[in-house]
Amino acid sequence: EVQLVESGGGLVQPGGSLRLSCSASGFSFSTYAMHWVRQAPGKGLEYVSAISSDGHSTYYADSVTGRFTISRDNSKNTLYLQMSSLRAEDTAVYYCVRRFGAYDYWGQGTLVTVSS
Amino acid sequence: EIVMTQSPATLSLSPGERATLSCRASQSVSSNLAWYQQKPGQAPRLLIYGASTRATGIPARFSGSGSGTEFTLTISSLQSEDFAVYYCQQYNSRFTFGPGTKVDI
Repeated sequence: EVQLVESGGGLVQPGGSLRLSCSASGFSFSTYAMHWVRQAPGKGLEYVSAISSDGHSTYYADSVTGRFTISRDNSKNTLYLQMSSLRAEDTAVYYCVRRFGAYDYWGQGTLVTVSS
Repeated sequence: EIVMTQSPATLSLSPGERATLSCRASQSVSSNLAWYQQKPGQAPRLLIYGASTRATGIPARFSGSGSGTEFTLTISSLQSEDFAVYYCQQYNSRFTFGPGTKVDI
């Protein structure tokens, strides 16, 4: 069974940093591109970042470029999102998703709240 | 950036009725279009990919059609568990979602 479990969310002050993790199981993690998608409270879905299966290529939404860094450790079956210079508008549930064309598996999400 | 729009914003129907949801792309996305269902407090679930292929375990009452810029998700006979928010997403050029259609009673 494919499982994606996010962790690392919480309350952080504006300008602060946070690292999200996503532990993957039930599939060959190293053969899939992985993405982060977020959803602000009561709002729609927004693509945040993507990483290739080997980790050599990374992509970002304009809204997070220069502030967020996506990475992965295929030996640990884990995806990461390092977030810095956080803003109130980054407040959202962050989902780890597996990409196989579309997003075929989603984690349960982890809530990030940016507030003083 | 490809902009996705969905209509209507809200669809009020009764169990057993047919639901027709529309999604439009600002430029052609070929058949690289997916539909997701999201219930309150849950992560989205993939329903349709490639514009018309049902994902694993998705009931046959869900069907997708369209290509290019115009797409439709049809639920042939609404069940109580189908009342949710539905998002379309293009994955032809980067990844963008529509704003969603809420299907409620």
